[in-house]
Amino acid sequence: EAGVVQSPRYKIIEKKQPVAFWCNPISGHNTLYWYRQNLGQGPELLIRYENEEAVDDSQLPKDRFSAERLKGVDSTLKIQPAELGDSAVYLCASSSHRLGDKVNTQYFGPGTRLTVL
Amino acid sequence: QQPVQSPQAVILREGEDAVINCSSSKALYSVHWYRQKHGEAPVFLMILLKGGEQKGHEKISASFNEKKQQSSLYLTASQLSYSGTYFCGTAFFGNEKLTFGTGTRLTIIP
Repeated sequence: EAGVVQSPRYKIIEKKQPVAFWCNPISGHNTLYWYRQNLGQGPELLIRYENEEAVDDSQLPKDRFSAERLKGVDSTLKIQPAELGDSAVYLCASSSHRLGDKVNTQYFGPGTRLTVL
Repeated sequence: QQPVQSPQAVILREGEDAVINCSSSKALYSVHWYRQKHGEAPVFLMILLKGGEQKGHEKISASFNEKKQQSSLYLTASQLSYSGTYFCGTAFFGNEKLTFGTGTRLTIIP
């Protein structure tokens, strides 16, 4: 079974430029998460999707960040314009919420390392 | 409400044991443990759902003390492959959101 796929793996941009990250979750996983991980820190949730619906975007800086998951499968996270403080690793994770499950196991992709100069 | 992990870092010789703790100030519903190697994705180790529960994964096991709002990860007879940063993610009842600790960096030396 293929894992969570993310691209690109690395991205270097200048501040004020736009950038987009792509994620393809594990097949059949209806829940998709975007996290940001700063150096030496644990992942922090940005947004969570249940199928096409964003059910938790309270941590997403909406002035410059946007995300979409139009067909309930793959997802795109965009930053426009990027700032120096956005340099981090952006992780995508997915899980399968099956009836009767008390809790979901989240499986992470390798992440996109963003450097803003 | 970020869980607190301790120690922040530990260096062990191959074959030694380690304990990593994860504490919360709020009543927990579940604790999720991950290991992340440098430049790689966090890899799922195990979930603990209720107080007093213990789980095992090869020579890695964990416990969940509901009264203390704490989980501990036990690594016995550590191997070089156990090196990495260990994160606990905590969730509260009725909320699927995971909040991760700042991690414990484990280094195993031959």
